[in-house]
Amino acid sequence: DGGITQSPKYLFRKEGQNVTLSCEQNLNHDAMYWYRQDPGQGLRLIYYSHIVNDFQKGDIAEGYSVSREKKESFPLTVTSAQKNPTAFYLCASSLWDGRNQPQHFGDGTRLSIL
Amino acid sequence: GEDVEQSLFLSVREGDSSVINCTYTDSSSTYLYWYKQEPGAGLQLLTYIFSNMDMKQDQRLTVLLNKKDKHLSLRIADTQTGDSAIYFCAERRGSQGNLIFGKGTKLSVKP
Repeated sequence: DGGITQSPKYLFRKEGQNVTLSCEQNLNHDAMYWYRQDPGQGLRLIYYSHIVNDFQKGDIAEGYSVSREKKESFPLTVTSAQKNPTAFYLCASSLWDGRNQPQHFGDGTRLSIL
Repeated sequence: GEDVEQSLFLSVREGDSSVINCTYTDSSSTYLYWYKQEPGAGLQLLTYIFSNMDMKQDQRLTVLLNKKDKHLSLRIADTQTGDSAIYFCAERRGSQGNLIFGKGTKLSVKP
């Protein structure tokens, strides 16, 4: 089945540690996105990529990094510089042709601090 | 303002209609979306509307758009317990077409 797979579902981070969240899609979508969701909050955009080997900062990029080496994959690294990493992280993807192409979401990764 | 605004909670009885409201900010042509999030899950796209439309209907869902007031609503007819979830309104904004989300409306359906 076509879809967006995020892994792991739950992740724990120790102080000073970098962790990487995986996002893979087999929808042949051009664009991929990472959002952070905090309780009672909407989604805030961390990074996005419209094409392989190119990505842009979103509204809250500090303390995060990404790569886009393959069309299907857009991993997010939460670095030790992110002092409040506990949140629900959502990956999304869409076609990108300049017109409306809705974003479709994975099931999320919940990150907690040990 | 810059935000997409939604009321935080709505409680209805099973079988009634639910109306979830949203206000957005971009006065130019744009797309507006409704997503549903069940506990511990990602967002599911329900429907979307372009800002030159007044209404869109899809089975039990009706979207109404008042462009003058920048007001969007989602009506769910014959609400069921399975409709209990958080509903997010989102506005597509800017040349990059990124989405700006409201904080979500938690819909509780009582039997």
